[in-house]
Amino acid sequence: DIAVTQSPLSLPVTPGEPASISCRSTQSLLHSNGYTYLDWYVQKPGQSPQLLIYWGSYRASGVPDRFSGSESGTDFTLKISLVEADDVGVYYCMQTLQTPRTFGQGTRLEIK
Amino acid sequence: QVQFVQSGAEVKKPGASVKVSCKASGYTFTSYTMQWVRQAPGQRLEWLGWINADNGNTKYSQKFQGRVTFSRDTSANTAYMEVSSLTYEDTAVYYCARENFPQCGGDCPLDCWGQGTLVTVSS
Repeated sequence: DIAVTQSPLSLPVTPGEPASISCRSTQSLLHSNGYTYLDWYVQKPGQSPQLLIYWGSYRASGVPDRFSGSESGTDFTLKISLVEADDVGVYYCMQTLQTPRTFGQGTRLEIK
Repeated sequence: QVQFVQSGAEVKKPGASVKVSCKASGYTFTSYTMQWVRQAPGQRLEWLGWINADNGNTKYSQKFQGRVTFSRDTSANTAYMEVSSLTYEDTAVYYCARENFPQCGGDCPLDCWGQGTLVTVSS
């Protein structure tokens, strides 16, 4: 199975400051179609997960442009340019290149 | 708008089975693949597999092969997930989730999720 590992596991952030979450996979997630099969989700308190970024860097519908995804080989980064109080939650990366799909451990973003 | 309503919480004894439903609305049910994900207390999300709502083809995580069964009723726009031979480790919230593109076939992102169904295995 492809393993994905996130860091940090806990991320305290001051509102208005940027935040960055990393995800590393045990192998390339580049599909033969040219897309990178790595998605980012956030699970806000008491809610179901919601899609933020798909295929490495594509923002899902309705996601503000404060959120961006990037990649470098097997390293992936989710960036929030200016954190807001509503961004509190657990952020997960997930690889979809191979089955079983696998998730990272989650990064808990909290507001200072 | 796209919406999923999952069945209510369940409490089951070890060795029993549970069937969770996921009723879809707001889109053409048979045009999208439905996936299932679970989250045990304090654990990361875990992928169970998917069902093609059109032809009923399924794909299971090897970990759950033979113990999890997906089905659907296209007349009711409802997908089902059944887990048999329950153990305490199956205590989790189970989610249905739809892929974000039609006819995607199982490897697309999940843009719409149900509210989750808590399954508790307890003697």
